[in-house]
Amino acid sequence: DGGITQSPKYLFRKEGQNVTLSCEQNLNHDAMYWYRQDPGQGLRLIYYSQIVNDFQKGDIAEGYSVSREKKESFPLTVTSAQKNPTAFYLCASSIPGYEQFFGPGTRLTVL
Amino acid sequence: RKEVEQDPGPFNVPEGATVAFNCTYSNSASQSFFWYRQDCRKEPKLLMSVYSSGNEDGRFTAQLNRASQYISLLIRDSKLSDSATYLCVVKPGTGANNLFFGTGTRLTVIP
Repeated sequence: DGGITQSPKYLFRKEGQNVTLSCEQNLNHDAMYWYRQDPGQGLRLIYYSQIVNDFQKGDIAEGYSVSREKKESFPLTVTSAQKNPTAFYLCASSIPGYEQFFGPGTRLTVL
Repeated sequence: RKEVEQDPGPFNVPEGATVAFNCTYSNSASQSFFWYRQDCRKEPKLLMSVYSSGNEDGRFTAQLNRASQYISLLIRDSKLSDSATYLCVVKPGTGANNLFFGTGTRLTVIP
């Protein structure tokens, strides 16, 4: 059963803590993406990766970091430097240049 | 100016009605266009790609007007299950893999 999985579904973090959001896909897609969605706003691109061991900053990369050591996995770390991290985080994957498919998302709340 | 602009709505229509959404994009070199559907607190899911000649999928019709830089989505015979937020999505160019998302148009179909 092919698809994209994200974990956890809900995550609570204290201020000053780093947290890592998981994203795994078994669609054999080369490209993977991280977006953030806030109420009343469109999705905003945080980071994307077109190939293993390579990634680029998106529009709002400050306070976030990623790695792409395996084709299937693209974890996102939300660092303490991110000033307003409470949001809905969505991971996506695609064949480069084609439509993107999304995971179910992680809701991060900073307490 | 935003890359992609949509009327946020909400559009409240009775069952069986026909409803249309428009979306404008700013980059005239944009190559690919999509409509995604997003249910409340869920991930976006691809509804349909938009082709230059226009395309239809059951009750849904998408059209592209490159000269005026807008795309449209028409839903005929609205069902209660069509209630969702519809996201207009634009791929800026052949060399880019990232997508630009509109903020979405909220549709509620009323019994």
